[in-house]
Amino acid sequence: QVYLVESGGGVVPPGRSLRLSCAASGFTFSSYAMHWVRQTPGKGLEWVAGISYDGRNENYADSVKGRFSISRDKSKDTLSLQMNSLRTEDTAVYYCARAPTGTRFDYWGQGTLLTVSS
Amino acid sequence: QSALTQPRSVSGSPGQSVTISCTGTSNDVGGYKYVSWYQQHPGKAPKLIIYDVNERPSGVPNHFSASKSGNTASLTISGLQPEDEADYYCCSYATNFFYVFGTGTKVTVL
Repeated sequence: QVYLVESGGGVVPPGRSLRLSCAASGFTFSSYAMHWVRQTPGKGLEWVAGISYDGRNENYADSVKGRFSISRDKSKDTLSLQMNSLRTEDTAVYYCARAPTGTRFDYWGQGTLLTVSS
Repeated sequence: QSALTQPRSVSGSPGQSVTISCTGTSNDVGGYKYVSWYQQHPGKAPKLIIYDVNERPSGVPNHFSASKSGNTASLTISGLQPEDEADYYCCSYATNFFYVFGTGTKVTVL
Protein backbone atom coordinates (compact mmCIF):
# COMPACT_ATOMS: atom_id res chain seq x y z
CA GLN A 1 0.00 0.00 0.00
CA VAL A 2 1.32 3.41 -1.00
CA TYR A 3 1.58 5.94 1.80
CA LEU A 4 2.59 9.58 1.61
CA VAL A 5 2.66 11.48 4.89
CA GLU A 6 3.34 15.21 4.92
CA SER A 7 4.60 17.13 7.93
CA GLY A 8 6.09 20.48 8.84
CA GLY A 9 3.15 22.82 8.38
CA GLY A 10 2.31 25.51 10.88
CA VAL A 11 1.86 29.22 11.40
CA VAL A 12 4.68 31.53 10.33
CA PRO A 13 4.91 35.30 9.83
CA PRO A 14 5.50 36.75 6.36
CA GLY A 15 9.10 36.73 5.22
CA ARG A 16 10.10 33.69 7.25
CA SER A 17 11.11 30.21 6.05
CA LEU A 18 9.69 26.75 6.58
CA ARG A 19 10.50 23.26 5.37
CA LEU A 20 7.85 20.67 4.55
CA SER A 21 8.55 16.96 4.40
CA CYS A 22 6.77 14.01 2.85
CA ALA A 23 7.59 10.49 4.02
CA ALA A 24 6.96 7.86 1.37
CA SER A 25 6.43 4.14 1.87
CA GLY A 26 4.94 1.14 0.11
CA PHE A 27 6.70 1.71 -3.22
CA THR A 28 10.16 2.20 -4.70
CA PHE A 29 10.55 5.90 -4.03
CA SER A 30 13.57 6.31 -6.30
CA SER A 31 11.55 5.17 -9.33
CA TYR A 32 8.97 7.95 -9.29
CA ALA A 33 8.85 11.66 -9.93
CA MET A 34 7.30 13.53 -7.04
CA HIS A 35 5.42 16.80 -6.80
CA TRP A 36 3.97 19.33 -4.40
CA VAL A 37 0.46 20.64 -5.02
CA ARG A 38 -1.26 23.20 -2.80
CA GLN A 39 -4.85 24.16 -2.13
CA THR A 40 -5.87 27.49 -0.71
CA PRO A 41 -8.60 27.06 1.91
CA GLY A 42 -11.92 26.88 0.12
CA LYS A 43 -10.27 27.29 -3.27
CA GLY A 44 -8.75 25.19 -6.01
CA LEU A 45 -5.59 23.20 -6.56
CA GLU A 46 -2.30 24.70 -7.73
CA TRP A 47 0.75 22.75 -8.85
CA VAL A 48 3.78 24.07 -6.98
CA ALA A 49 6.88 22.07 -7.89
CA GLY A 50 8.09 18.75 -9.20
CA ILE A 51 11.29 16.72 -9.14
CA SER A 52 12.36 13.85 -11.38
CA TYR A 53 12.79 10.32 -10.08
CA ASP A 54 16.57 10.76 -9.88
CA GLY A 55 16.51 14.28 -8.50
CA ARG A 56 18.30 15.74 -11.50
CA ASN A 57 15.44 17.85 -12.80
CA GLU A 58 13.24 20.27 -10.91
CA ASN A 59 10.51 22.61 -12.01
CA TYR A 60 8.50 25.30 -10.28
CA ALA A 61 5.37 27.31 -10.74
CA ASP A 62 6.10 30.95 -11.50
CA SER A 63 4.42 31.93 -8.23
CA VAL A 64 7.12 30.20 -6.15
CA LYS A 65 10.16 30.20 -8.45
CA GLY A 66 13.20 31.59 -6.70
CA ARG A 67 11.61 31.22 -3.24
CA PHE A 68 10.84 27.49 -2.99
CA SER A 69 13.18 24.55 -3.49
CA ILE A 70 12.15 20.91 -3.91
CA SER A 71 14.49 18.06 -3.05
CA ARG A 72 14.47 14.35 -2.32
CA ASP A 73 16.49 12.00 -0.12
CA LYS A 74 16.54 8.48 -1.50
CA SER A 75 18.19 7.12 1.63
CA LYS A 76 15.20 8.22 3.70
CA ASP A 77 12.47 7.98 1.04
CA THR A 78 11.59 11.58 1.79
CA LEU A 79 10.50 14.51 -0.34
CA SER A 80 11.06 18.05 0.92
CA LEU A 81 9.97 21.57 0.09
CA GLN A 82 12.08 24.42 1.42
CA MET A 83 10.00 27.57 1.41
CA ASN A 84 11.69 30.95 1.85
CA SER A 85 10.39 34.53 1.86
CA LEU A 86 6.91 33.30 2.63
CA ARG A 87 3.95 35.45 1.69
CA THR A 88 0.37 35.51 2.95
CA GLU A 89 -0.73 34.12 -0.41
CA ASP A 90 1.31 30.97 0.25
CA THR A 91 -1.24 30.01 2.91
CA ALA A 92 -2.62 26.65 1.81
CA VAL A 93 -2.78 22.93 2.42
CA TYR A 94 0.29 21.41 0.81
CA TYR A 95 0.02 17.92 -0.65
CA CYS A 96 2.80 15.72 -1.92
CA ALA A 97 1.86 13.50 -4.84
CA ARG A 98 3.45 10.67 -6.75
CA ALA A 99 3.73 10.81 -10.53
CA PRO A 100 4.27 7.45 -12.25
CA THR A 101 4.83 9.21 -15.54
CA GLY A 102 4.71 12.85 -16.50
CA THR A 103 0.99 12.64 -17.01
CA ARG A 104 -0.76 12.23 -13.69
CA PHE A 105 -0.63 12.27 -9.89
CA ASP A 106 -1.76 8.84 -8.81
CA TYR A 107 -1.30 8.95 -5.01
CA TRP A 108 -1.60 11.91 -2.67
CA GLY A 109 -0.79 12.48 0.95
CA GLN A 110 -3.33 13.84 3.42
CA GLY A 111 -1.79 17.31 3.29
CA THR A 112 -0.22 19.70 5.78
CA LEU A 113 -1.56 23.21 6.47
CA LEU A 114 0.70 26.23 6.18
CA THR A 115 -0.62 29.54 7.43
CA VAL A 116 1.42 32.65 6.72
CA SER A 117 0.19 35.41 8.98
CA SER A 118 1.57 38.08 11.27
CA GLN B 1 0.03 29.56 -16.19
CA SER B 2 -3.63 30.45 -15.99
CA ALA B 3 -5.98 27.91 -14.46
CA LEU B 4 -8.11 25.82 -16.79
CA THR B 5 -11.74 26.94 -16.87
CA GLN B 6 -14.42 24.71 -15.37
CA PRO B 7 -18.04 25.46 -14.51
CA ARG B 8 -18.42 26.37 -10.86
CA SER B 9 -21.13 23.79 -10.27
CA VAL B 10 -23.28 21.15 -11.92
CA SER B 11 -26.10 19.10 -10.49
CA GLY B 12 -28.26 16.13 -11.34
CA SER B 13 -30.65 13.62 -9.87
CA PRO B 14 -29.59 10.06 -9.04
CA GLY B 15 -29.29 8.03 -12.21
CA GLN B 16 -28.86 11.04 -14.46
CA SER B 17 -25.68 11.99 -16.30
CA VAL B 18 -23.67 15.17 -15.85
CA THR B 19 -20.77 16.50 -17.89
CA ILE B 20 -18.04 18.83 -16.68
CA SER B 21 -16.03 20.84 -19.20
CA CYS B 22 -12.41 21.91 -18.81
CA THR B 23 -11.16 24.57 -21.21
CA GLY B 24 -7.54 25.47 -21.72
CA THR B 25 -5.29 26.45 -24.58
CA SER B 26 -3.10 24.87 -27.22
CA ASN B 27 -0.24 25.08 -24.71
CA ASP B 28 -1.92 22.68 -22.32
CA VAL B 29 -5.18 20.77 -22.95
CA GLY B 30 -5.06 21.17 -26.72
CA GLY B 31 -1.40 20.36 -27.07
CA TYR B 32 -1.06 17.12 -25.14
CA LYS B 33 -2.89 13.87 -24.46
CA TYR B 34 -2.14 14.36 -20.75
CA VAL B 35 -5.38 15.48 -19.15
CA SER B 36 -6.29 13.96 -15.81
CA TRP B 37 -9.29 14.33 -13.53
CA TYR B 38 -9.47 14.26 -9.73
CA GLN B 39 -12.35 13.77 -7.33
CA GLN B 40 -12.16 15.45 -3.93
CA HIS B 41 -14.57 14.90 -1.07
CA PRO B 42 -14.68 17.50 1.73
CA GLY B 43 -11.65 17.32 3.99
CA LYS B 44 -10.00 14.63 1.88
CA ALA B 45 -7.10 14.53 -0.55
CA PRO B 46 -7.81 14.50 -4.28
CA LYS B 47 -8.22 11.09 -5.89
CA LEU B 48 -7.20 10.30 -9.47
CA ILE B 49 -10.18 9.07 -11.52
CA ILE B 50 -9.08 9.67 -15.13
CA TYR B 51 -5.65 10.02 -16.76
CA ASP B 52 -4.31 10.43 -20.28
CA VAL B 53 -7.62 12.02 -21.34
CA ASN B 54 -9.80 8.91 -21.05
CA GLU B 55 -8.06 6.14 -19.09
CA ARG B 56 -9.46 4.93 -15.77
CA PRO B 57 -7.15 3.66 -13.01
CA SER B 58 -8.02 0.25 -11.67
CA GLY B 59 -10.77 0.43 -9.08
CA VAL B 60 -12.43 3.53 -10.49
CA PRO B 61 -16.06 2.81 -11.42
CA ASN B 62 -16.82 2.71 -15.14
CA HIS B 63 -19.58 5.30 -14.85
CA PHE B 64 -16.78 7.86 -15.04
CA SER B 65 -15.69 8.59 -18.61
CA ALA B 66 -13.85 11.41 -20.30
CA SER B 67 -12.84 12.82 -23.66
CA LYS B 68 -11.12 15.77 -25.29
CA SER B 69 -11.76 17.91 -28.34
CA GLY B 70 -9.40 20.69 -29.24
CA ASN B 71 -8.67 22.82 -26.19
CA THR B 72 -11.57 21.41 -24.14
CA ALA B 73 -11.67 18.22 -22.11
CA SER B 74 -14.82 16.76 -20.60
CA LEU B 75 -15.68 14.41 -17.75
CA THR B 76 -19.01 12.60 -17.80
CA ILE B 77 -20.53 10.94 -14.77
CA SER B 78 -23.23 8.53 -15.93
CA GLY B 79 -25.80 7.08 -13.57
CA LEU B 80 -25.13 9.67 -10.91
CA GLN B 81 -24.85 8.23 -7.40
CA PRO B 82 -25.00 10.00 -4.02
CA GLU B 83 -21.33 9.23 -3.37
CA ASP B 84 -20.39 11.08 -6.57
CA GLU B 85 -21.20 14.36 -4.81
CA ALA B 86 -17.77 16.01 -4.56
CA ASP B 87 -15.49 18.57 -6.14
CA TYR B 88 -13.87 17.64 -9.45
CA TYR B 89 -10.69 19.10 -10.89
CA CYS B 90 -9.11 18.65 -14.28
CA CYS B 91 -5.37 18.93 -14.76
CA SER B 92 -3.18 19.16 -17.83
CA TYR B 93 0.49 18.90 -18.54
CA ALA B 94 1.62 22.16 -20.11
CA THR B 95 4.55 23.32 -22.18
CA ASN B 96 7.92 23.43 -20.44
CA PHE B 97 7.11 20.82 -17.82
CA PHE B 98 4.42 22.71 -16.00
CA TYR B 99 1.09 21.42 -14.80
CA VAL B 100 -2.10 23.44 -14.61
CA PHE B 101 -5.26 22.58 -12.73
CA GLY B 102 -8.81 23.57 -13.45
CA THR B 103 -10.82 25.95 -11.31
CA GLY B 104 -12.87 23.07 -9.93
CA THR B 105 -16.51 22.02 -10.22
CA LYS B 106 -18.84 21.12 -7.41
CA VAL B 107 -21.13 18.25 -8.33
CA THR B 108 -24.39 18.12 -6.39
CA VAL B 109 -26.64 15.09 -6.39
CA LEU B 110 -30.17 16.37 -5.97
